[in-house]
Amino acid sequence: GAGVSQSPSNKVTEKGKDVELRCDPISGHTALYWYRQSLGQGLEFLIYFQGNSAPDKSGLPSDRFSAERTGGSVSTLTIQRTQQEDSAVYLCASSEYRGSYNEQFFGPGTRLTVL
Amino acid sequence: AQSVTQLDSQVPVFEEAPVELRCNYSSSVSVYLFWYVQYPNQGLQLLLKYLSGSTLVKGINGFEAEFNKSQTSFHLRKPSVHISDTAEYFCAVTSPSGGSYIPTFGRGTSLIVHP
Repeated sequence: GAGVSQSPSNKVTEKGKDVELRCDPISGHTALYWYRQSLGQGLEFLIYFQGNSAPDKSGLPSDRFSAERTGGSVSTLTIQRTQQEDSAVYLCASSEYRGSYNEQFFGPGTRLTVL
Repeated sequence: AQSVTQLDSQVPVFEEAPVELRCNYSSSVSVYLFWYVQYPNQGLQLLLKYLSGSTLVKGINGFEAEFNKSQTSFHLRKPSVHISDTAEYFCAVTSPSGGSYIPTFGRGTSLIVHP
């Protein structure tokens, strides 16, 4: 079936505005992950979902960041009152189920630019 | 805690030459190791992974990696690179027990293949 999709592919916003980033995982994948990729910084873990619950939110950088997942499928990452340091590529990945040996399948990312 | 160090941020190489991308990890427990590749404007995709068994792991596109427990390394190699191998390569580690199942990624190595 289709891979992981993310929308929008690019988002330019003004400082202080809220943004919503969407991730559609592969059908049937119960685990979903959000990462942030900044230039030269690798991938920074943000949050993990198993089904609709988020047992690990340890990577969210501040309370301006939140995420939800509904129906065990689509997830939305929301950033409130965006700051310039939020500019990055936000990647979503899914895997069949939680497990350290599982391959993650990544979407193409959303490039967020905060002016 | 687990960590990954990719020793080279950029590796330039000529087409048809061999290449090695270095990865060292740190973990107090046993590990699973992964190499992912990211082509421009795309998400990451799995090249290969080490879970157990033979320490030499073969992946897609002619890549292979060798797990060396004593040196805590998982270097990626290819005997003859193509222009199309130009991409960002990420090493990642998880733990089957006692550690985190959330992958920890290195900062990435940019492989640049020149004609």
